[in-house]
Amino acid sequence: NAGVTQTPKFRILKIGQSMTLQCTQDMNHNYMYWYRQDPGMGLKLIYYSVGAGITDKGEVPNGYNVSRSTTEDFPLRLELAAPSQTSVYFCASRPPTGYPAHNEQFFGPGTRLTVL
Amino acid sequence: KNEVEQSPQNLTAQEGEFITINCSYSVGISALHWLQQHPGGGIVSLFMLSSGKKKHGRLIATINIQEKHSSLHITASHPRDSAVYICAVRSDRGSTLGRLYFGRGTQLTVWP
Repeated sequence: NAGVTQTPKFRILKIGQSMTLQCTQDMNHNYMYWYRQDPGMGLKLIYYSVGAGITDKGEVPNGYNVSRSTTEDFPLRLELAAPSQTSVYFCASRPPTGYPAHNEQFFGPGTRLTVL
Repeated sequence: KNEVEQSPQNLTAQEGEFITINCSYSVGISALHWLQQHPGGGIVSLFMLSSGKKKHGRLIATINIQEKHSSLHITASHPRDSAVYICAVRSDRGSTLGRLYFGRGTQLTVWP
């Protein structure tokens, strides 16, 4: 299993540009999450999904959108990039309740995004 | 106020020293996680606790539910232990059930 993969690893955007951060997991996990990590701050939840077709907002959803058309993929969309969205973005997934390690989240390697 | 507070923020140690990192939380939880983030950025899970104590090699994690406090100990620290250690709690509240809240992390540097 590749686990949780994210692309790209790094990206520089200009203000107002848009982009999609890709996240894929091959562990058949139903729960998937997007977090952002700002310097010196704890990870904050942007959006999450409990299964294909179901998404919901986290603590800091403004400026982002998500979709979950398949179990494997959970892309994060930035429509109008702003400097405040400069951060490191982590995708994570978790097995269904009742499965082994169902309380453990598995993290991707992160995407470092800079908006200038 | 953050739901999860860690101390210290930064910690420097000499190889071989005993390390303690503390975590306090203010919300009801169903579990507490200790995570490790290496300089490359990847995050891995070290422990998940809901009570008592767990040990894995030189790492020991304890939790006191009544006092809403957890500690991560590293015995015989080694330079390869240098990383950011993150405490996270899983909420047991209805509206945020299952959501993780993260501390800001403790940067540990172990010198040879």
